[in-house]
Parts: sequence; C-alpha cells; structure tokens
Amino acid sequence: DSGVTQTPKHLITATGQRVTLRCSPRSGDLSVYWYQQSLDQGLQFLIHYYNGEERAKGNILERFSAQQFPDLHSELNLSSLELGDSALYFCASSLYPNTEAFFGQGTRLTVV
Amino acid sequence: DAKTTQPPSMDCAEGRAANLPCNHSTISGNEYVYWYRQIHSQGPQYIIHGLKNNETNEMASLIITEDRKSSTLILPHATLRDTAVYYCIVRADNYGQNFVFGPGTRLSVLP
Repeated sequence: DSGVTQTPKHLITATGQRVTLRCSPRSGDLSVYWYQQSLDQGLQFLIHYYNGEERAKGNILERFSAQQFPDLHSELNLSSLELGDSALYFCASSLYPNTEAFFGQGTRLTVV
Repeated sequence: DAKTTQPPSMDCAEGRAANLPCNHSTISGNEYVYWYRQIHSQGPQYIIHGLKNNETNEMASLIITEDRKSSTLILPHATLRDTAVYYCIVRADNYGQNFVFGPGTRLSVLP
C-alpha cells in the first residue's frame, strides 16, 4: 500500500458526460501528479500540482482540468468524454517536487 | 521524451538474480536515476533511486557506472511476483521535472 488513495476504482460512463476523479496523497506529501495510461500504452504525464499551485502541464487535453485543494487532495475533471478517453488514470504524490513519488492504484475509466 | 534506453523484454529464472540494464548516456550532473515497476495494471511502484553512488534497499540494488552513462537494477533473488514492467527514469533534482516513463523492460520470471 503506497498510502495514495484514488476513488473511485472503476467508473463507467457515456460519451459526452463529465466525471471527477479524486486523489488523496500520502500524509504530508505536498506534490500531486496525474498520469493517463491507455490500453497497451505507456504512462503519459498530465499535470503536476505542488502545494495547491499548478507546477507543470503535460499532454493534458483542454477538456481535462485539475486542481489541488487546501487539504492537498486533488481532483481531475474530465468533460465531454470520448471513447478514446477510456484509460487508467493514476495519481502520485511526493513530499516535494524533487523527491520520489508514490502511485495510487488508479481509476479505470470506461467510456461507452 | 524519455532519456533512457532499456531492452524491451528479459527473462529470468526464479531464485536467480535479475539484472536489468539501462542506458542514459546524456544524463546531466544534477539528474538522478529512478527505477519503478508496474505489475500488470497496478499503479507503478517505486523501487530505488540514486545519483552516482550504488544504492541498496530491501527491494533491490542500483549500480551506476562511474561515468553515470548507464546503470543496472539488480533483484537479488527474483520470484514470480517480480514479473512486471520495469522503468528506468532520469530526473533532475529540481522542482520543474516530472517522471517521464518510457516503454520499460518487461521482465518475466520463469519457474
């Protein structure tokens, strides 16, 4: 158990809908990262927050947004969902942006 | 783009040491070498990291060459549960770098 909690574990939704994925980082960690892993694809970096502020953006679509709240948990919002958005979404946390990160078990999103 | 090169796949006999190589010939002085693994579709698991000295923890050992252009992750006594994709990542020691995952090495531990 990495100490990073992601909810829900599974999510099935229809095209055009909007969903919110939640991540609770390890106690004390200030950084949160989001990654997407499509079927048989590599891990793609989406976005990084540090202590409530956006630190870096990767290959994140405009339909996707994220935020980190004062209690340091983070949410990834996915809107206008398409079939191609079906993937595993992982959250990771680290104490600081330059320390090792620990990943949650992911949310499996299926868009039908 | 990933700054590392790893073999796409490797086999190892159960109980033997698994030695996973990684080439990072363009590594900079402030970049660490990190290793993660992903078992099936679980979240990536942190294994170990180092700068220039060899490192060992309860999971593995990391051997970095003196010129830092390559490294080897060693699992001393591989078990079937070590079957996974192993990722070698180079990451700078500053607040602006993220973990960039390449395709990794698929390690199969055989009975």
